[in-house]
Amino acid sequence: DTGVSQNPRHKITKRGQNVTFRCDPISEHNRLYWYRQTLGQGPEFLTYFQNEAQLEKSRLLSDRFSAERPKGSFSTLEIQRTEQGDSAMYLCASSSRLGSSNEQFFGPGTRLTVL
Amino acid sequence: QQQVKQSPQSLIVQKGGISIINCAYENTAFDYFPWYQQFPGKGPALLIAIRPDVSEKKEGRFTISFNKSAKQFSLHIMDSQPGDSATYFCAATYGNQFYFGTGTSLTVIP
Repeated sequence: DTGVSQNPRHKITKRGQNVTFRCDPISEHNRLYWYRQTLGQGPEFLTYFQNEAQLEKSRLLSDRFSAERPKGSFSTLEIQRTEQGDSAMYLCASSSRLGSSNEQFFGPGTRLTVL
Repeated sequence: QQQVKQSPQSLIVQKGGISIINCAYENTAFDYFPWYQQFPGKGPALLIAIRPDVSEKKEGRFTISFNKSAKQFSLHIMDSQPGDSATYFCAATYGNQFYFGTGTSLTVIP
């Protein structure tokens, strides 16, 4: 499967614990995005990487959140000291700005439940 | 604030009918308007997209109508099928900023 993959698919944690999610984009895509989606809502932009550089961060991304893309390939999203309000689906997407296409390809998401 | 407003929140259509979902935006900088389909437990998948220089785009049973002056666009699903039952999101983008609507849950009754 050459699509975007995310691991784990589900994560249950206790409040106050740290969690880390991984995203593997489509191999030739240099752009990678993280989104958060809560029930009944559309995805909300969190952050964007072009290659290894983190170029944009949403105000939704509090100090407890950090994202990396160390070699311009896979990316990790870490949430420190999780809170119940962090419970959501975390989506990763990748794209390649070929021609005029803005198409983003989404992974299946990681569903986080904070107890 | 919600950059893209989507309606209705839910929609029930008989098999073979037409499903219509509407979206509106304010920011005239948006230059790409995709529609995504999402099934439970899956990430959104691109269905069809349009740029503001055209008023309509059709791909199979799916059509986007775009009204630049009204800053509105809509998705029409012709001959709706039970397999179309999913949540649909419109989005508007410029640069690398994607703004999604709140989604429409479509149920197609056999």
